[in-house]
Formats: sequence, C-alpha cells, structure tokens
Amino acid sequence: EAGVTQFPSHSVIEKGQTVTLRCDPISGHDNLYWYRRVMGKEIKFLLHFVKESKQDESGMPNNRFLAERTGGTYSTLKVQPAELEDSGVYFCASSQVELALYNEQFFGPGTRLTVL
Amino acid sequence: AQTVTQSQPEMSVQEAETVTLSCTYDTSESDYYLFWYKQPPSRQMILVIRQEAYKQQNATENRFSVNFQKAAKSFSLKISDSQLGDAAMYFCAYRSADRDDKIIFGKGTRLHILP
Repeated sequence: EAGVTQFPSHSVIEKGQTVTLRCDPISGHDNLYWYRRVMGKEIKFLLHFVKESKQDESGMPNNRFLAERTGGTYSTLKVQPAELEDSGVYFCASSQVELALYNEQFFGPGTRLTVL
Repeated sequence: AQTVTQSQPEMSVQEAETVTLSCTYDTSESDYYLFWYKQPPSRQMILVIRQEAYKQQNATENRFSVNFQKAAKSFSLKISDSQLGDAAMYFCAYRSADRDDKIIFGKGTRLHILP
C-alpha cells in the first residue's frame, strides 16, 4: 500500500511568486492534515480536512495560504504571494475516520519550500 | 493551550549504548496521547511509540521505551542498544483524546550515533 506522497519534494521560488504544493493521502483516508516546520521551530498544524470539508483551519497563518481538497482525494496548498517567512518544510498527514479511540496519522516526506 | 518542550536540540550516543531523550508538556486535559516520532534524514516521519495518558504502564516497543510521569508532565524516550539506523530527528508530540485532533509537536532533538 502506498504511503502519503507529496509533490514537489523541493521548491525554490522568488518572493512574490506563487507556489502550489500537493498531497496525496493514503487511499481511503478521509482525514487530511497540513503541518509546517519553519527552520529551528516546532512543526505546527495548519489545517484539517475531513473529505472535502475544512474541519479546522485555525493554524493557517494568513490569507496568502489557500488549501483545497476537491473531491475529497488529494489536497493542494497554495501560497500566493510567497514571502520569505514562508520558507520551511510542509508536511501532509492522513488518517482514517473510524469509531476507534485512536486513528494514527501517517506522514508524507514533506515539501521543502525556499523563498528567496 | 497545550505545549510540548524538548530542551535538548542535539544529543550523541555511542553505538550499543543507551540514550534518553527528554520531553515535558503542558496541558489542562486529563485524557490525551503522547508520541515520539522519528524522522531520519531525507525520509518520512514515522511513529516510534505511543502512550495513552490513562494508562499507568509505560509503553515499550522493542528497544524503545518511555518513562511517562503524568503528574510531572514528563515523557522521556529511552533507546537501548543504540544502532546507526537510530540516527534521526526525534519529535515529542501531544494529541488530545479527540481521535481526529491535530498533533502538537516539540522542536525536536537530533540524535547522532557514534560508531
């Protein structure tokens, strides 16, 4: 079974440009999460989808970030326009929606974004 | 709000020795999960071990074990018989008991294994 995949693995862009990150969750996982790690700091939650609906977007830093999950499968995270402080590693994770007490989140390898 | 603190940015251990990574957290909740994740260089982050707060017994997974002190809000990871493949960034993390809630991470500890 394929794990969570993310594309691209690295992206280098100029300040002011637009970048779109993609995450493909594990097949059948309705929960999809985005996290971000800025250099030297904690990995921080950005938002959580359940299928195509945004369950929690309390971690989105500002309106330059737009996340979508059309059709409830893969998700995209667009940064427009990118700023220097957006540099970091963006992680995606997915989990099943079950009645179990605990649903493990499986993480992708991350996309390293560098804004120059 | 919940927080997770890892006070050791880097640690080194001799191969085959034992090392303990420290973690403290803060929460007002009584039911939650604690985790240690491992991220090897250029690879995916994987779950090493999980502890349910309502369980008094410390979790163990092969060479990995935790020391969970709920009153002290401490959650350390012990790696026994360290191997070269254990070299990685280790993140301590917290999640509330809500099964689909977000995970809160510490800053991480980079572990070096010396041959």
